[in-house]
Amino acid sequence: DTGVSQDPRHKITKRGQNVTFRCDPISEHNRLYWYRQTLGQGPEFLTYFQNEAQLEKSRLLSDRFSAERPKGSFSTLEIQRTEQGDSAMYLCASSLATGFSNEQFFGPGTRLTVL
Amino acid sequence: GEDVEQSLFLSVREGDSSVINCTYTDSSSTYLYWYKQEPGAGLQLLTYIFSNMDMKQDQRLTVLLNKKDKHLSLRIADTQTGDSAIYFCAERGMKTSYDKVIFGPGTSLSVIP
Repeated sequence: DTGVSQDPRHKITKRGQNVTFRCDPISEHNRLYWYRQTLGQGPEFLTYFQNEAQLEKSRLLSDRFSAERPKGSFSTLEIQRTEQGDSAMYLCASSLATGFSNEQFFGPGTRLTVL
Repeated sequence: GEDVEQSLFLSVREGDSSVINCTYTDSSSTYLYWYKQEPGAGLQLLTYIFSNMDMKQDQRLTVLLNKKDKHLSLRIADTQTGDSAIYFCAERGMKTSYDKVIFGPGTSLSVIP
């Protein structure tokens, strides 16, 4: 399968714990995006990378959130001191910068539940 | 500001046409997209339209864009039970970031056999 993959698919944690999610984009894609989706809402943009450079961060991305893409391939999203309000589906997408429509291909998401 | 709105629910009978509507506020939108999300799955791009087009047809899907009214619609002909899913309208504009895509809340389509 050469699509976008995310790991883990589900994560249950206690409030105050740190969690880290991983995203593996489509191999030739140089852009990688993180979104958060809560029930009944569309995905909300969090941040995106072009290669290893983080080019934009949303105001939604508080200081407790950090994302990295150290070698321009896979990316990690870490949430420190989780809060119940962090419970959501975290989606990763990738795209090719030179693509005509910049079509973003989405992974299946990581569902986070903070107890 | 950035805002994309959709009605939340639509129910149609199998074989009928479905029309899902969307309005957006960013007049600088360049691309407008329709994504489909099935339960437990990520988003799948169904189709997109460039802002200088009025209509795009792709098999059972027809996209209509009224740029003056900032209104986008997706028509699914001969709707099948497999079309039951959540459909997201999304737009990419120049006002905030060329690479940021803003999604609507999604329309849940239920197809009655």
